[in-house]
Amino acid sequence: GNSVTQMEGPVTLSEEAFLTINCTYTATGYPSLFWYVQYPGEGLQLLLKATKADDKGSNKGFEATYRKETTSFHLEKGSVQVSDSAVYFCARSSSNTGKLIFGQGTTLQVKP
Amino acid sequence: GAVVSQHPSRVICKSGTSVKIECRSLDFQATTMFWYRQFPKQSLMLMATSNEGSKATYEQGVEKDKFLINHASLTLSTLTVTSAHPEDSSFYICSAREDGGEETQYFGPGTRLLVL
Repeated sequence: GNSVTQMEGPVTLSEEAFLTINCTYTATGYPSLFWYVQYPGEGLQLLLKATKADDKGSNKGFEATYRKETTSFHLEKGSVQVSDSAVYFCARSSSNTGKLIFGQGTTLQVKP
Repeated sequence: GAVVSQHPSRVICKSGTSVKIECRSLDFQATTMFWYRQFPKQSLMLMATSNEGSKATYEQGVEKDKFLINHASLTLSTLTVTSAHPEDSSFYICSAREDGGEETQYFGPGTRLLVL
């Protein structure tokens, strides 16, 4: 089927720790891939994206590389801050409908 | 950057009343907008695709007579929850895709609906 799977949370880290949130997808063709972030009580904000294989999206210290061979788009950050605490959603585009297919979301808690 | 607004941000209403939520793209045109519903600690559930100048396309299981969508201009889509009941209480989020742009969707800040 066509789906997006994220690692289960919550992920709890200390400030300045290294972050990885895994995301894998299934799809026919080559969708665009996205990471969105949702802070408490707010809507989603686009964090980064990649539109083709081997592209690396990056923003605010976060990175993710479009890996066609492993159908993955893992989110990484070298040193997290308390302000990074939020829910992170991985998503892929649907080729002919314009819709986004979301993963279930991963909650990140960063403690001082 | 592309900004999407929603109004109101929070609404409390009595059971049986109707509530209208607006979604606006502030600095770009959007022929296509999307309406989502999010339950606490869950992912987004796509309710419908809103198309300017034509009828909305609803996802399976979403009642089109319950959730009325109107996309009257290239910058405005509205969602009306008709005869709201407590089970309609939720967080409603819209998104817009820029005309001529890529597949990126830009999201509004969401509307918290509480039906008493």
